[in-house]
Amino acid sequence: DTGVSQDPRHKITKRGQNVTFRCDPISEHNRLYWYRQTLGQGPEFLTYFQNEAQLEKSRLLSDRFSAERPKGSFSTLEIQRTEQGDSAMYLCASSYGADTQYFGPGTRLTVL
Amino acid sequence: SQQGEEDPQALSIQEGENATMNCSYKTSINNLQWYRQNSGRGLVHLILIRSNEREKHSGRLRVTLDTSKKSSSLLITASRAADTASYFCATELGRVNDMRFGAGTRLTVKP
Repeated sequence: DTGVSQDPRHKITKRGQNVTFRCDPISEHNRLYWYRQTLGQGPEFLTYFQNEAQLEKSRLLSDRFSAERPKGSFSTLEIQRTEQGDSAMYLCASSYGADTQYFGPGTRLTVL
Repeated sequence: SQQGEEDPQALSIQEGENATMNCSYKTSINNLQWYRQNSGRGLVHLILIRSNEREKHSGRLRVTLDTSKKSSSLLITASRAADTASYFCATELGRVNDMRFGAGTRLTVKP
């Protein structure tokens, strides 16, 4: 296993469109996290899963955002009706229990 | 909301010099972690220090934690051009795995 992977690496979309990102965690990791990072800032926590259960959601996660981890393995993050303010790097991380979180390369979203 | 705050925001040094970055935070933590991020890439975990530890070493890295001052420092000794990156501290709060990052220190090591 080569680590956390994310797809796509880059996404350009028009305002109002829906986008979906995928994250594949390290295979034995039971926890999966989504973060958002804007230019010049550190990552901001969005949500996290333990297995398939979504246990924590940030106030940053508006109702246009939804995340799933249906089988406790990969996860998707969907943004509906995208806005220019959604432009950011979306990072996924995974961990085994409370151990260190390992990050993927991120998906850079540009909303025109 | 951000929890940690790194200082300085930017640091430029010559290869071979030591680089020290500081992180201050606001609330009680379970642990504090340092990550590195090269431009436009994902974060790479460097070191974790728990709230009951005061100092940890990993290769050229030395991290200290002072919970009474709510601060941590990352020292990179004998810096190399490849150390050029942004460095973030992340604090894990009482709730499980809710990590909060600072805005980072952008380190430039000139060859």
